[in-house]
Amino acid sequence: DTAVSQTPKYLVTQMGNDKSIKCEQNLGHDTMYWYKQDSKKFLKIMFSYNNKELIINETVPNRFSPKSPDKAHLNLHINSLELGDSAVYFCASGQGAGYGYTFGSGTRLTVV
Amino acid sequence: KQEVTQIPAALSVPEGENLVLNCSFTDSAIYNLQWFRQDPGKGLTSLLLIQSSQREQTSGRLNASLDKSSGRSTLYIAASQPGDSATYLCAVSRTSGTYKYIFGTGTRLKVLA
Repeated sequence: DTAVSQTPKYLVTQMGNDKSIKCEQNLGHDTMYWYKQDSKKFLKIMFSYNNKELIINETVPNRFSPKSPDKAHLNLHINSLELGDSAVYFCASGQGAGYGYTFGSGTRLTVV
Repeated sequence: KQEVTQIPAALSVPEGENLVLNCSFTDSAIYNLQWFRQDPGKGLTSLLLIQSSQREQTSGRLNASLDKSSGRSTLYIAASQPGDSATYLCAVSRTSGTYKYIFGTGTRLKVLA
């Protein structure tokens, strides 16, 4: 039973399209995160939601919009995709300050 | 601003060797530090979580130490095996502002059979 699940696992799309990535966690955690891993494998935080409330919004183009319908879900919608958006996007969840993260298996986005 | 550095960037060792991976961070005001493993094309698997009040944590052949005052952590892998081949990432969380992890650049480990 997967703790943090992301869909899709792979996503190939053309420039200019709009796409969404979904994330669900069944751990009962209050906080969820989106991280981006670039081609050099560096992981950088994008967003964080705590109980459906946005608490972290790093310097990310406003083409990226997270949505959290409930505390178990955090989806990422990307408008007008660009070549530079190609990366692996990871969802994670945690119980808050002082606790570790549990990561999903990632979504490899390729923009052509 | 917290910066996390991991040395070496890549490491290749013969099977059976004991090895040490290093992680350093610039701001010692951390909640905790977490070590992860990432296999190629896969997600991150949590290995060990050390709270700021702890000096070390152990799990099987893995031992992670934390010296908060000097901004350093080490991950010790005993009797390495080819299955240990992966990228190892450390991440630190800060005590000020919103809770989040800042990741290091990773060490790519290859254990040769």
